[in-house]
Amino acid sequence: AQSVTQLDSHVSVSEGTPVLLRCNYSSSYSPSLFWYVQHPNKGLQLLLKYTSAATLVKGINGFEAEFKKSETSFHLTKPSAHMSDAAEYFCVVSAQGRAAGNKLTFGGGTRVLVKP
Amino acid sequence: EPEVTQTPSHQVTQMGQEVILRCVPISNHLYFYWYRQILGQKVEFLVSFYNNEISEKSEIFDDQFSVERPDGSNFTLKIRSTKLEDSAMYFCASSVQGSNQPQHFGDGTRLSIL
Repeated sequence: AQSVTQLDSHVSVSEGTPVLLRCNYSSSYSPSLFWYVQHPNKGLQLLLKYTSAATLVKGINGFEAEFKKSETSFHLTKPSAHMSDAAEYFCVVSAQGRAAGNKLTFGGGTRVLVKP
Repeated sequence: EPEVTQTPSHQVTQMGQEVILRCVPISNHLYFYWYRQILGQKVEFLVSFYNNEISEKSEIFDDQFSVERPDGSNFTLKIRSTKLEDSAMYFCASSVQGSNQPQHFGDGTRLSIL
């Protein structure tokens, strides 16, 4: 079984300030972890993925996330928020090591508001 | 960059009617998925499909649901007799292979049951 908890349903930041989106997971298997972003009326776009290589993962648009097994966390950060970062962000877990394509389990999402 | 495309973007259907949601996955991908998101709730897995058969399905995916890959490009989700609670955003996704690979999502079909 696997689950994801995003600790903040809403985050409000000022443009140019850091963004931190918190995510904790549980998984019976060695997990793959992803962050997806959803802009209004658009699909889910992959920001970055962790699949047991480097624990600090860099993604698109200046985002990065750090996998911490001891804390079962995969928090997403960006040093300086831009207005275009306003969207909903999803932390997602998938179990590695299974032969067939595997289902994704989503967190509840964090809606980011960027103030000018 | 290749994309997953879904049609229609919005479908309005009377309760009890059948509806087919269509998806064109990325051409070299082998695994196909449907997810749904009821308004205000989490994105939920419905079904995964590989090698022309269902590889995994959730409890939500009961007998009223079916999936098909009728040709080399389309992947469809059919709901036989729609209920009010089927109203949701339905997302199609595809991936090259299994769990280590990210899934690529379409923009979704918003299904409204009246």
